[in-house]
Amino acid sequence: DADVTQTPRNRITKTGKRIMLECSQTKGHDRMYWYRQDPGLGLRLIYYSFDVKDINKGEISDGYSVSRQAQAKFSLSLESAIPNQTALYFCATSDVKGGNNQPQHFGDGTRLSIL
Amino acid sequence: RKEVEQDPGPFNVPEGATVAFNCTYSNSASQSFFWYRQDCRKEPKLLMSVYSSGNEDGRFTAQLNRASQYISLLIRDSKLSDSATYLCVVNMRSSNTGKLIFGQGTTLQVKP
Repeated sequence: DADVTQTPRNRITKTGKRIMLECSQTKGHDRMYWYRQDPGLGLRLIYYSFDVKDINKGEISDGYSVSRQAQAKFSLSLESAIPNQTALYFCATSDVKGGNNQPQHFGDGTRLSIL
Repeated sequence: RKEVEQDPGPFNVPEGATVAFNCTYSNSASQSFFWYRQDCRKEPKLLMSVYSSGNEDGRFTAQLNRASQYISLLIRDSKLSDSATYLCVVNMRSSNTGKLIFGQGTTLQVKP
């Protein structure tokens, strides 16, 4: 079983729809992240959470919201999807030691297309 | 200036060649560094951490130059299976974040 699981793996939907992407992990890590990846732009951080009560905006949080329901779950919502949110979305987790972020572990990704 | 910069490539090399990638970072307070590998349409996977003293893992060698603020990845005896995008990642530590910043990636194509 994958340590970081994203659902769905692929989604095609229409402009204006509400969409939720889910992420769950079995690694026991406190830190979780949502990224999007676009060709030529690399990975960009949307939101991150260091524990259940902690939510932080990344560099491109507009148009997105998140919920950290439990240590193991971190969901990303698009309240009203628009075509430029078409991208590959990754969830990641990490541990922390001595205040330093340890390497991140990624889910398989969700390919989202907004028509 | 981007916080982490890489030459996107692509680097096209024959099998058996040695190839090196560099990555520069802007924040001198950066504390930890990693190289990730990403195959097409797949998730990034940790290739190796980069230590101050440099480190080697088989055909892969990573080096850190804090004075010039760059890290490098050297791949010897390239294999077809090394074809991928290599992401440079920097830990920009501050008092309450510790975020990882990803470079855009360098694409490597190893040809027969």
